[in-house]
Amino acid sequence: DAGVTQSPTHLIKTRGQQVTLRCSPKSGHDTVSWYQQALGQGPQFIFQYYEEEERQRGNFPDRFSGHQFPNYSSELNVNALLLGDSALYLCASNPRASTYEQYFGPGTRLTVT
Amino acid sequence: KQEVTQIPAALSVPEGENLVLNCSFTDSAIYNLQWFRQDPGKGLTSLLLIQSSQREQTSGRLNASLDKSSGRSTLYIAASQPGDSATYLCAVPEVSGYGNKLVFGAGTILRVKS
Repeated sequence: DAGVTQSPTHLIKTRGQQVTLRCSPKSGHDTVSWYQQALGQGPQFIFQYYEEEERQRGNFPDRFSGHQFPNYSSELNVNALLLGDSALYLCASNPRASTYEQYFGPGTRLTVT
Repeated sequence: KQEVTQIPAALSVPEGENLVLNCSFTDSAIYNLQWFRQDPGKGLTSLLLIQSSQREQTSGRLNASLDKSSGRSTLYIAASQPGDSATYLCAVPEVSGYGNKLVFGAGTILRVKS
């Protein structure tokens, strides 16, 4: 049973560019959340998707957008990259009817130069 | 708004010591509390999840307790080993509308010296 998978593992981009990160949830899970973890900090919630809609959003600018596909996989898009967007981006999934336990993927390390 | 704090920020102990990591949260109306382990540059591995109705949860050398009324949880690691060196994070879900998000502490960086 595959857990949460993310791609790519590492990514280097230049300021002003756009980036797309991908996530496949754990089998049987239909809800996907994205988190940003800056160095030395705990993960910060970006947004959550269920039934292909954004259900909740954290305190992140509109440059951060997402999408969920019918197979429950998800993408995180970041436009107009800033140096401060350099972080580990984590995807988590859970079944909709759950006790809110989330399962995390290995993350994508984004470096903006 | 839920806030989670972890103390200490870092801890260095010799191998074999028993140790306690602390987590506090401001809103006691939680569904559960989760402890995670994170190795450098890696994702999060769930260690223990304590439901709001539970007071303790154990897995091997790890024991987590939860006191909702005081807004505190502790993670006890018995007989620490160098392989336990990692960052330990606690998190609680914050539920609103259709969604739920996890609110994390900043973590405790643990180093176990051989």
